[in-house]
Amino acid sequence: DAGITQSPRHKVTETGTPVTLRCHQTENHRYMYWYRQDPGHGLRLIHYSYGVKDTDKGEVSDGYSVSRSKTEDFLLTLESATSSQTSVYFCAISDRGLAKNIQYFGAGTRLSVL
Amino acid sequence: DQQVKQNSPSLSVQEGRISILNCDYTNSMFDYFLWYKKYPAEGPTFLISISSIKDKNEDGRFTVFLNKSAKHLSLHIVPSQPGDSAVYFCAARNSGAGSYQLTFGKGTKLSVIP
Repeated sequence: DAGITQSPRHKVTETGTPVTLRCHQTENHRYMYWYRQDPGHGLRLIHYSYGVKDTDKGEVSDGYSVSRSKTEDFLLTLESATSSQTSVYFCAISDRGLAKNIQYFGAGTRLSVL
Repeated sequence: DQQVKQNSPSLSVQEGRISILNCDYTNSMFDYFLWYKKYPAEGPTFLISISSIKDKNEDGRFTVFLNKSAKHLSLHIVPSQPGDSAVYFCAARNSGAGSYQLTFGKGTKLSVIP
């Protein structure tokens, strides 16, 4: 898993509650990403970071926010969870954003919003 | 608008035979292509990649072919083994703005039958 830890691995929550997912890396890679995987949609980028405190939106960013205060940690927050955010969330990291884009993925977090 | 398309949701192949997974793209700015493999309850793992300046890249049993004029790439697995049964994602990098982002296809589920 290239030194990537996602926590929690599973979470069940209720609609309207805030949820934070954590991605922790030990590779000192500059770039970090959050994706969601849903049946029929593949992997879709939510947000990404290109350095500490440097983040930007991806394809499906509505309802999500992120923060990166340290190189090793990238947090994904659902301010008020909705059932449409039930999904499997993957964190990824890469080192050479411009020269190569091999991204290495964590094991995922399965989130259920009831 | 889906820029990376994997039109076959699933594929079944006999053990020992060749598996061919296909991927089409629409964006001419894509300059680097990757294949990922994903087992259930795990994160995607990088398999093989190819730059747009090449038309073939080989790594053991895995070969990726790129036809730029047709905007088509394929992954060949020879010989196929039961352990190859997984979901395969095609991904592409845009050489323009935000080149550290990848766009993924929806995936093809490969089943290798013993």
